[in-house]
Amino acid sequence: EVQLVESGGGLVKPGGSLRLSCVASGFAFRSYRMNWVRQAPGKGLEWVSSISSGSTHMYYADSVKGRFTISRDNAKNSLYLQMNSPRGEDTAVYYCARERYCGITTCSRPTSWFDPWGQGTLVTVSS
Amino acid sequence: SYVLTQPPSESVAPGETARITCGGDNVGTTSVHWYQQRPGQAPVVVVYGDSDRPSGIPERFSGSNSGNTATLTISRVEAGDDADYYCQVWDSSGDHAVFGGGTRLTVL
Repeated sequence: EVQLVESGGGLVKPGGSLRLSCVASGFAFRSYRMNWVRQAPGKGLEWVSSISSGSTHMYYADSVKGRFTISRDNAKNSLYLQMNSPRGEDTAVYYCARERYCGITTCSRPTSWFDPWGQGTLVTVSS
Repeated sequence: SYVLTQPPSESVAPGETARITCGGDNVGTTSVHWYQQRPGQAPVVVVYGDSDRPSGIPERFSGSNSGNTATLTISRVEAGDDADYYCQVWDSSGDHAVFGGGTRLTVL
């Protein structure tokens, strides 16, 4: 069974730091781009960051760029999000998500989507 | 940055058809994906690549995308379809995902 399990959430003070983890199982983790997506309480989904399968490319939403760092350890089937200098607006449930890709031979145009998602870990930024 | 616009809410009676729209500038030129999120649960993809269904998703779920509007259609709506629905695309760089604001579907 393909599974993603996040951990590391909790209460953190503004300006502090926190590291989220996501452990993958049931698939070839090293072959997939991975993502973090968050959801503030009562709000919609917001993409946070992605990392390529070999860690050569990382991308960030403008809202977290320069403060958060995504990384992975393929030997441990693990994805991480280092959150530095968090702010109140970073309070959210953080989901890790595998990115599935469909190429031109199978789909009408190359594209990718998030499947599956982990159950999420709640981060609360407050003094 | 690219913006996707969804109606905040829709309501439908059981057995009827629900249509949830996702508007964006020339959204028909890119692939749209749809996610269902039941209360207290993680999102699940129900349609990818405009109109394809993952295994395990009922045929009642379908999608279309043309011009400035993508649409998720749920036929013969059931109580279990009561959830939030989000559309998603990638921006022009292909490296930043964009989500719509979400639509709360209420089954009456």
